Amino acid sequence: EVQLVESGGGLVQPGGSLRLSCAASGFSFITHWMGWVRQAPGKGLEWVAGINPDGSEKSYVDSVKGRFTVTRDNAQGSLYLEMNSLKGEDTAVYYCATLGDHSAVHWGQGTLVTVSS
Amino acid sequence: DVVMTQSPLSLPVTLGQPASISCRSSQSLVHSDGNTYFNWFHQRPGQSPRRLIYKVSNRDSGVPDRFSGSGSGTDFTLKISRVEAEDVGIYYCMQGSYWPWTFGQGTKVEI
Repeated sequence: EVQLVESGGGLVQPGGSLRLSCAASGFSFITHWMGWVRQAPGKGLEWVAGINPDGSEKSYVDSVKGRFTVTRDNAQGSLYLEMNSLKGEDTAVYYCATLGDHSAVHWGQGTLVTVSS
Repeated sequence: DVVMTQSPLSLPVTLGQPASISCRSSQSLVHSDGNTYFNWFHQRPGQSPRRLIYKVSNRDSGVPDRFSGSGSGTDFTLKISRVEAEDVGIYYCMQGSYWPWTFGQGTKVEI
């Protein structure tokens, strides 16, 4: 069974940094594209970033380019999202997801990031 | 970015009756590889989204056959043949043909 468990969310001040983690199990992590999707409170879904199996290709939505970095550790089966220069509009539940057929196949339960002073 | 527009945004349904949600994209979703990367997701209150349909009409494993997807180019439809109580929640369309992948605003389905 595919399991994706996010962690690292919390309250951070504007301009601050946070690192999200996603522990993956139950599938061959090393062969899968992975991604992050976020959902602001009471709002819809927004793609944030994607990364290919060996970490050599990364894509970001324009609103986070230069501030967020997606990485992975295939030996550990983990996905990360380093978030810097955080803004109020980054407040959201962040979901980790496996990617396949240009889509999100399996989703984690999400971790809440709140950017507020 | 490709804009995905869903209608209606709110859909009152009756148990046992059919329901339909439409999604229109701002440009054709036919990818350069010939595939159309269009998906439907369902999110129940307090839960993570779950993919129902991928590449327009393919149901994911475990998705009841009362759900069906159709469409082409820029116009797509999700149909529920007979609504059940567990079908309430928000349905999102999503395109994966162009980065950044984009979602529709969501359609809230309630009994």
